[in-house]
Amino acid sequence: SQQGEEDPQALSIQEGENATMNCSYKTSINNLQWYRQNSGRGLVHLILIRSNEREKHSGRLRVTLDTSKKSSSLLITASRAADTASYFCATDRNTGGFKTIFGAGTRLFVKA
Amino acid sequence: ETGVTQSPTHLIKTRGQQVTLRCSSQSGHNTVSWYQQALGQGPQFIFQYYREEENGRGNFPPRFSGLQFPNYSSELNVNALELDDSALYLCASSLGTSGGSYEQYFGPGTRLTVT
Repeated sequence: SQQGEEDPQALSIQEGENATMNCSYKTSINNLQWYRQNSGRGLVHLILIRSNEREKHSGRLRVTLDTSKKSSSLLITASRAADTASYFCATDRNTGGFKTIFGAGTRLFVKA
Repeated sequence: ETGVTQSPTHLIKTRGQQVTLRCSSQSGHNTVSWYQQALGQGPQFIFQYYREEENGRGNFPPRFSGLQFPNYSSELNVNALELDDSALYLCASSLGTSGGSYEQYFGPGTRLTVT
């Protein structure tokens, strides 16, 4: 079963607006990562946040992590049509062996 | 482009057959992970290899097995194929430690169809 759960499942916005996606997970983690996937192709790594970090920025991306609530959010500011993709959070843990667990993803559609 | 390559791109197999998928890691990476992604779902972790040893495994049966070679390329083998094995298989390489890996760089995937 998936550990991560993203919401919303789908999001449709206008170009220029901000997009916020949320991720929740169930157990303790080492890191949390966000990935983008276009049309069922390979995933592209966006940003990694460690369990002892609370916020991270990369260009138009802002990620927050709240380990007490076991949740993370990804904010994309000033969205563009090219941001249309599926976004996944993935948690890394190393208990009884290493595992990366992905959520089911948020499908973002940015209208031009 | 990540520098991670996978072969073949597409594959059609019959139920009960065996399949081998291949992955070449990005230069300098010592860790490779394999994922299964069904249509409309997130990737499911199959296993990870670090310096030729399996150091993590997801909830997949033993008929899913793997190898990592001294040059850090990798194979995923699936025996006794079932219809539900139809999916996109993704490999990802990273520079990791025995405790796990960090940013993963994904290949384009192999689309497996089992009939």
